[in-house]
Amino acid sequence: GQQLNQSPQSMFIQEGEDVSMNCTSSSIFNTWLWYKQEPGEGPVLLIALYKAGELTSNGRLTAQFGITRKDSFLNISASIPSDVGIYFCAGQRGGAQKLVFGQGTRLTINP
Amino acid sequence: NAGVTQTPKFQVLKTGQSMTLQCAQDMNHEYMSWYRQDPGMGLRLIHYSVGAGITDQGEVPNGYNVSRSTTEDFPLRLLSAAPSQTSVYFCASTRFDEQFFGPGTRLTVL
Repeated sequence: GQQLNQSPQSMFIQEGEDVSMNCTSSSIFNTWLWYKQEPGEGPVLLIALYKAGELTSNGRLTAQFGITRKDSFLNISASIPSDVGIYFCAGQRGGAQKLVFGQGTRLTINP
Repeated sequence: NAGVTQTPKFQVLKTGQSMTLQCAQDMNHEYMSWYRQDPGMGLRLIHYSVGAGITDQGEVPNGYNVSRSTTEDFPLRLLSAAPSQTSVYFCASTRFDEQFFGPGTRLTVL
């Protein structure tokens, strides 16, 4: 089955640094979503993007829907310890159930 | 309002055993889904339902059955467990485009 190509797979950064991760696909998506998963929990939605070129912020998080509709990126500014977790992108082409997920980016922060 | 609940949280099975993973939501959402999460693979859709009495296959449906007799409940059945089904299973319910995930069931098949 198709999956999105998410990179990097892992990041080790210092507290206060900015973070950038992205997802690419060979297919077009109508919606891009970014989730965060903490240990022992299910993913939680961070940002949803609905239009090509859309740039949306949620606090220190900023995400963009690529113009080609085949990619998206997520930036986290001034990272803090609670940003630790796994970040997933997901693309939606048809109905609300049919999400395709990236492999995840594991973020580790050194205080 | 409990959101999405899943039971059990952990389960160990022997090859060939059957079991049902339970999922319930109290948000009156029509859409519900089951995913499995494997290391380095993200989440993959197993089955989904757009309402009571209606289910459909996702990306990796083989070895799993579902039914949806009520809006609230969406159980996932493993008919004959195999080691390849060792994974973490997440149930989700959807409102508009936002999926609410349960806490997951960690299943090990020996």
